[in-house]
Amino acid sequence: AQKVTQAQTEISVVEKEDVTLDCVYETRDTTYYLFWYKQPPSGELVFLIRRNSFDEQNEISGRYSWNFQKSTSSFNFTITASQVVDSAVYFCALSEDGYGNKLVFGAGTILRVKS
Amino acid sequence: NAGVTQTPKFRILKIGQSMTLQCAQDMNHNYMYWYRQDPGMGLKLIYYSVGAGITDKGEVPNGYNVSRSTTEDFPLRLELAAPSQTSVYFCASSYSLEGPYGYTFGSGTRLTVV
Repeated sequence: AQKVTQAQTEISVVEKEDVTLDCVYETRDTTYYLFWYKQPPSGELVFLIRRNSFDEQNEISGRYSWNFQKSTSSFNFTITASQVVDSAVYFCALSEDGYGNKLVFGAGTILRVKS
Repeated sequence: NAGVTQTPKFRILKIGQSMTLQCAQDMNHNYMYWYRQDPGMGLKLIYYSVGAGITDKGEVPNGYNVSRSTTEDFPLRLELAAPSQTSVYFCASSYSLEGPYGYTFGSGTRLTVV
C-alpha cells in the first residue's frame, strides 16, 4: 500500500531563512504522481505542484523549489528566503493510481516563519 | 467561480443525530472524494466515486454513506453521529485522465459532535 511520511512535525524559522520540508513515499507502482499542498491558517487547501514519476527534473517556481529523487523515494520542498506568509501546514501526497487520483496524504509539516 | 462547493461550512451535531454534507462541482470532473482531517493530522479518504452511480470505500468509511446520482453532486451522509466524527471534512474532485492541476478541493466543513 502507498504511504507518505513527513517526518518533520513542525519547523520554525526566522524570516529570510531557507527551509526544506521532507517527504518520503512508498509505492509499488511504477507510474504515480506526487503532490504538495499548502494549508494556510484559513484552512483551505492550496495546490502547489504535481509531479509525474517519470519526470525527475527539479522544478523551481519563484521562491519554491522541489527536488524529486526516485532513488531515495523522496520529494522534498524548499522555500528560499522564507516569509511570514509562508506560515502554514504543508502536505505531501501520493496518488494511488497512475493518473493522479485517490491521493494518500502525509501527516503534514507545520511551518512557522517568525519576523 | 468554477470549483468545488461545500455546504454547510460549520455544523454542530448532537450525538445520534444525522446530517448530510453537500458537495457540488461544476468542472465535469469524473472523480470525487470525501476526506476528513482530524486536528494535527493529514487527510484520510472516507469515500470516493469514479463517476455517476459508482462509489467505493476509502480508508475510513465506517459511520458514513455516499451516493453519486449525478456527475456534479457527491453528498456525504452521517448516520448516528458520534464524537469521533468531529473533524473537518473536505470534498474534492479530479479528472480521471491527466490534467494540469490534479485535485480541486472545497473549502471544508467543520463538524463538531457533542
